[in-house]
This record gives sequence, structure tokens and C-alpha cells, in this order.
Amino acid sequence: GAVVSQHPSRVICKSGTSVKIECRSLDFQATTMFWYRQFPKQSLMLMATSNEGSKATYEQGVEKDKFLINHASLTLSTLTVTSAHPEDSSFYICSAEGFSYEQYFGPGTRLTVT
Amino acid sequence: KQEVTQIPAALSVPEGENLVLNCSFTDSAIYNLQWFRQDPGKGLTSLLLIQSSQREQTSGRLNASLDKSSGRSTLYIAASQPGDSATYLCAVSPQGAQKLVFGQGTRLTINP
Repeated sequence: GAVVSQHPSRVICKSGTSVKIECRSLDFQATTMFWYRQFPKQSLMLMATSNEGSKATYEQGVEKDKFLINHASLTLSTLTVTSAHPEDSSFYICSAEGFSYEQYFGPGTRLTVT
Repeated sequence: KQEVTQIPAALSVPEGENLVLNCSFTDSAIYNLQWFRQDPGKGLTSLLLIQSSQREQTSGRLNASLDKSSGRSTLYIAASQPGDSATYLCAVSPQGAQKLVFGQGTRLTINP
């Protein structure tokens, strides 16, 4: 149980285009989902907290107009990187909050912007 | 602001050894602490979760302890195997905050 999926697992896009990443909780409902970013050989940095039916809460320094988050249902949150640039290339990981506030993580999405 | 530190940053040991990974956090007001494993290019696998009221948790060859008052946790791996090679991340959930704060991780290599 407590499986979280992400789609796509890898994406390459051209500079200036937008990319959408999906995060789904497959066997449980998650009121809260989280989006993290990880640079090579570094730890995870929380970007935003996504609550179903309300606006996401962004961490300091994260541009909300660039990283659009939508949590329209209890099993799906999406992250859209708008007008992507090479510096947005990174590993994006989502997690979904389950029972007892434990977070269950997706397998990650590798974004490369050329 | 909660900060999490993991020592050492990297560790290489021969197969079969017992080893300890360390994690420290600056604010003892936490809800829980989790240890994760991350293989290169992959997501996170939860290994152990310790609630703030607990002192330790065990799963197979893994044992995690928590000393909340001193802001420390250790992950003990017994009889290490090459398959244990990965990056191990420690994360705390601060009280009153819906998020995890991660340490930088310990990159572990078990040599056959």
C-alpha cells in the first residue's frame, strides 16, 4: 500500500516551453502533497505544499508564477514548470501525506531543459 | 529555523561490517523523524519512521534511535551488504509544520 506515482519519469524540453509533471497517490487519498527539487548530489529542497482544493503554499525563494501547482483531487497534484530554462533542469520529486503524517514519495521526474 | 545535519557525508566500508550513520537536528520540537534510502537517479524509499514519543525502531538489519532532547538520531546497519550501497537521508517533521526538513545525506558504499 501507500504507492505514489509520477509521470513522466523523464522529460526533455526546449527552453521557453512549459512542462507538466503529475503526482498520483494510487491506493490512498492525500489531502496534502509536497513537491521537492533535488540538484545532483544534493539533498531534497521543499518547493511547495499542495493542499487539495486550495492554493499551494510556496517556500521562500520559489516563484509561484513559474512553478504552478494544482491539487484538484485527493489523488492528483500537478506541477507545471512554465517557460522553462536550462537552470530549471533538475530532479523533481513529489510526496503524498498519508496516515500519521508519514510522507510517501514518488519515483521522481528528471527534467532536462535544452 | 530547523536544520538537519548528517555525518559523515560519505562512508565506504567492507562487506559484513556493522556501521552507524548519524543525524542531528537543531530544534527538538519535532513530530517525527524518518530515515530514507535513495538509489542513484531514483526516488526515496522510507526505511524507518520514529514518532517523537518513541526511542527507536527496528526493521530487519536496520535500527534507528532517537534522542529528541539532544537532537540526535542514529541509523545502525548490521552485517552490511553490497546491496546496502545508496544514499541515506534523514528528515524531521517539525511540530506545527506540514513538511519534512532533510539532511544532506550520507553516501554509503559497501565493498564486496
